[in-house]
Amino acid sequence: SQQGEEDPQALSIQEGENATMNCSYKTSINNLQWYRQNSGRGLVHLILIRSNEREKHSGRLRVTLDTSKKSSSLLITASRAADTASYFCATDAGGYNFNKFYFGSGTKLNVKP
Amino acid sequence: NAGVTQTPKFQVLKTGQSMTLQCAQDMNHEYMSWYRQDPGMGLRLIHYSVGAGITDQGEVPNGYNVSRSTTEDFPLRLLSAAPSQTSVYFCASSQLTGRINSPLHFGNGTRLTVT
Repeated sequence: SQQGEEDPQALSIQEGENATMNCSYKTSINNLQWYRQNSGRGLVHLILIRSNEREKHSGRLRVTLDTSKKSSSLLITASRAADTASYFCATDAGGYNFNKFYFGSGTKLNVKP
Repeated sequence: NAGVTQTPKFQVLKTGQSMTLQCAQDMNHEYMSWYRQDPGMGLRLIHYSVGAGITDQGEVPNGYNVSRSTTEDFPLRLLSAAPSQTSVYFCASSQLTGRINSPLHFGNGTRLTVT
């Protein structure tokens, strides 16, 4: 596959704790996006970070990007039971291939009330 | 606000049968795409389109055909179904904004079983 893995594959935490998940990719990119998938549903966009950005925030979400290590992390602060879902990173193929997207294998997050 | 609509929600096929998965969006998005999701493997791009009359292959195009005659519709055709095509299929659309991607809007998926 074009892209690498996300880790951990599964994460179980208590409500109120922070959740961190990581994504690695193999080639240069233009952008990296994070999506959430509730069981049996389509994916929902969370946040996009450009290759020239290092950190981005949106509400309780914080995303970092390290292009030298080809990796990104998603931090969810003060997690809630409603955050229980699978989380996927997605990258484009870089250069002029910005219309081809590659998804990681996902992190399944369980937030216990 | 319908967004991206996929039909059917569930389908069972016998090996060798053909069928078309439908995808329609009402957001006037130029970009549309099809993915398959298998357990533990994330989503893999099958085909995509950047406008009516323009399609291109993704990561796993074999066994699938697409066409884009209108902006709104992007059907995915399985020519001769095989058990390896058992999967959940997602259609997604977005605006075309060049190098800075726009968020993908996903349908709720079609769960296909090939026996």
